[in-house]
Amino acid sequence: DAGITQSPRYKITETGRQVTLMCHQTWSHSYMFWYRQDLGHGLRLIYYSAAADITDKGEVPDGYVVSRSKTENFPLTLESATRSQTSVYFCASSGNVLGNEQFFGPGTRLTVL
Amino acid sequence: RKEVEQDPGPFNVPEGATVAFNCTYSNSASQSFFWYRQDCRKEPKLLMSVYSSGNEDGRFTAQLNRASQYISLLIRDSKLSDSATYLCAVARGGTPLVFGKGTRLSVIA
Repeated sequence: DAGITQSPRYKITETGRQVTLMCHQTWSHSYMFWYRQDLGHGLRLIYYSAAADITDKGEVPDGYVVSRSKTENFPLTLESATRSQTSVYFCASSGNVLGNEQFFGPGTRLTVL
Repeated sequence: RKEVEQDPGPFNVPEGATVAFNCTYSNSASQSFFWYRQDCRKEPKLLMSVYSSGNEDGRFTAQLNRASQYISLLIRDSKLSDSATYLCAVARGGTPLVFGKGTRLSVIA
């Protein structure tokens, strides 16, 4: 039971480059989420998705793009990475009701030089 | 006022001690409440849901106080392995969970 996986686990990139973080879940959960976690800020919601082709902005969406063509995948793209986007990114999923418990992937540590 | 607030700690307690954390929320329409545990450099993991009547899971007890708008987590007989950061999460109906910044617990031998 793979659950929810993220790739890559670690990524170093340069300012201005495009980066895509992948998230895949095997539970057939309706909802998927992207968070970033930084010291002093806790977990902040970037985007979430209720189903394939349905996405909504969270608290800090600027500089990020998401898509959800398949229920099990929810990639997050940084179109032009900035140093302020250096962070740990967590993907999460939950069942059919928004506000239910969420289950997190292992995270991607992204460093933008 | 932030939507969800926690005392950041750290709470340093000896093994065997009882420790309690609170988490306050600002929106009285909040309906879902959870406690998560996060180990250093790992993902948050669901510890327990918090029900209106309170609930217990082994050494862990969660309570909800709607009147004062807070939830609590009580850990009895603390173990070294309980050392972690504890995050609370709250949601209103039809909205995503909002997480507190976490309370750090260190259990000392």
